[in-house]
Amino acid sequence: EAGVTQFPSHSVIEKGQTVTLRCDPISGHDNLYWYRRVMGKEIKFLLHFVKESKQDESGMPNNRFLAERTGGTYSTLKVQPAELEDSGVYFCASSHQGFDTGELFFGEGSRLTVL
Amino acid sequence: AQSVAQPEDQVNVAEGNPLTVKCTYSVSGNPYLFWYVQYPNRGLQFLLKYITGDNLVKGSYGFEAEFNKSQTSFHLKKPSALVSDSALYFCAVRSYTGGFKTIFGAGTRLFVKA
Repeated sequence: EAGVTQFPSHSVIEKGQTVTLRCDPISGHDNLYWYRRVMGKEIKFLLHFVKESKQDESGMPNNRFLAERTGGTYSTLKVQPAELEDSGVYFCASSHQGFDTGELFFGEGSRLTVL
Repeated sequence: AQSVAQPEDQVNVAEGNPLTVKCTYSVSGNPYLFWYVQYPNRGLQFLLKYITGDNLVKGSYGFEAEFNKSQTSFHLKKPSALVSDSALYFCAVRSYTGGFKTIFGAGTRLFVKA
């Protein structure tokens, strides 16, 4: 079974540019989450999809961040325009629908560096 | 609001010695507690969880964790550390009132010396 995959693994952009991160969850997992970890800090929740619907987007920092999950399969997270403080590792995770006591399955993360 | 505290940035232990990585939490409602491990250039991997029942839960790679409701703690333990246990460990909590959102701590780096 393929795990959660994320692309790109590392992106270096300049302030003001746009970056799009992609996440492919485990097949059949309806729950998809985005998290971000800034160096040395906690892994912060960004948002949660159930299939194609945004269940909770309370962690999204501001309107420069846009997440989509068209068709309930893969998801994208776009940052436009990027700022220096957006640098960090963006993790995607997935889990079974309705299994709220279950563990999350994580991708390897996308490291974003904004110069 | 939910929160997770991992008071130690790093834990150093000699191979063969017992290890403890500390975690305390703050939630409303009954907590679901998790430990994850991250090896270099890898994603987080699930180690173990506490949902209900026995306060001592066992997980992967010989790790275990003890849930203490009065102290709101969920410390990760292993009786005998291995060099290969060296990694970054994250404690996480999910409460019923929080829905499906899982909150993570800042992580503790475990270094096991041969």
